[in-house]
Amino acid sequence: DAGVTQSPTHLIKTRGQQVTLRCSPKSGHDTVSWYQQALGQGPQFIFQYYEEEERQRGNFPDRFSGHQFPNYSSELNVNALLLGDSALYLCASRLGGIPPYEQYFGPGTRLTVT
Amino acid sequence: DAKTTQPPSMDCAEGRAANLPCNHSTISGNEYVYWYRQIHSQGPQYIIHGLKNNETNEMASLIITEDRKSSTLILPHATLRDTAVYYCIVSLRAETSYDKVIFGPGTSLSVIP
Repeated sequence: DAGVTQSPTHLIKTRGQQVTLRCSPKSGHDTVSWYQQALGQGPQFIFQYYEEEERQRGNFPDRFSGHQFPNYSSELNVNALLLGDSALYLCASRLGGIPPYEQYFGPGTRLTVT
Repeated sequence: DAKTTQPPSMDCAEGRAANLPCNHSTISGNEYVYWYRQIHSQGPQYIIHGLKNNETNEMASLIITEDRKSSTLILPHATLRDTAVYYCIVSLRAETSYDKVIFGPGTSLSVIP
C-alpha cells in the first residue's frame, strides 16, 4: 500500500462537461504530480505541485488545471471535456528536497467521456 | 519525449532471472535512472534507482554500464506476480530539485509457468 489515495475510482462524463479529481498524498509527502495514461500507453506528465504552486507542466492545454491545498492534497480539474480525455488519471507524491526521488502512485481515477 | 529505449515485450520462465535492458545514451551526469513497474489496472510502483553504481534491494538489482549509456534491471527469481509493464526512466532536471518524470511505453514482461 503506497498510501496515496485518489477519488473517485471511476467517473463517466459527457463531452463539454467539467470534472474534478482528487488526490491525497502519502503521509509526509509535499510534492504531488498528475499523469494521464491512455489505454496501452505509458503515463504522460501533466503537472507537478509543490508549496501550493504549479512548478512544472507537461504538454497539456490550459483546460487542465490544478490546485494544491495547505495539507498537500491536490485536485486536477479538466474543463470542456473531449472524448480524447478518456484515460486513467494517476496522482503521485514524493518528498521535496534533492534527488533521488521515489514517487508513490495512487490507484488512479478512470475517466470515461461519452 | 522519453529519453530511454526499451524492448516492447519479453518473456521469462517462472523461477528464472528476468533481465530487462534499457538504453539511455543521452543521459547527463546528474540524472538518475529509475525503474518502475505497473501491474494491470494499478498505479506504477517504484522498484529501484541508481546513478553510477550497481544497486540491489529486496525487489531487484540494477546494473548500470560504466559509461552510463545503458542499464539492466534484474529480477533474480521471476514469479507470475512479476508480470507487468516495466518502465525505465531518466529523470529530467528542469531546475535544481525539480524533475519531470517522462514515461516511455516500457517493456511488457510476461512470466510464463
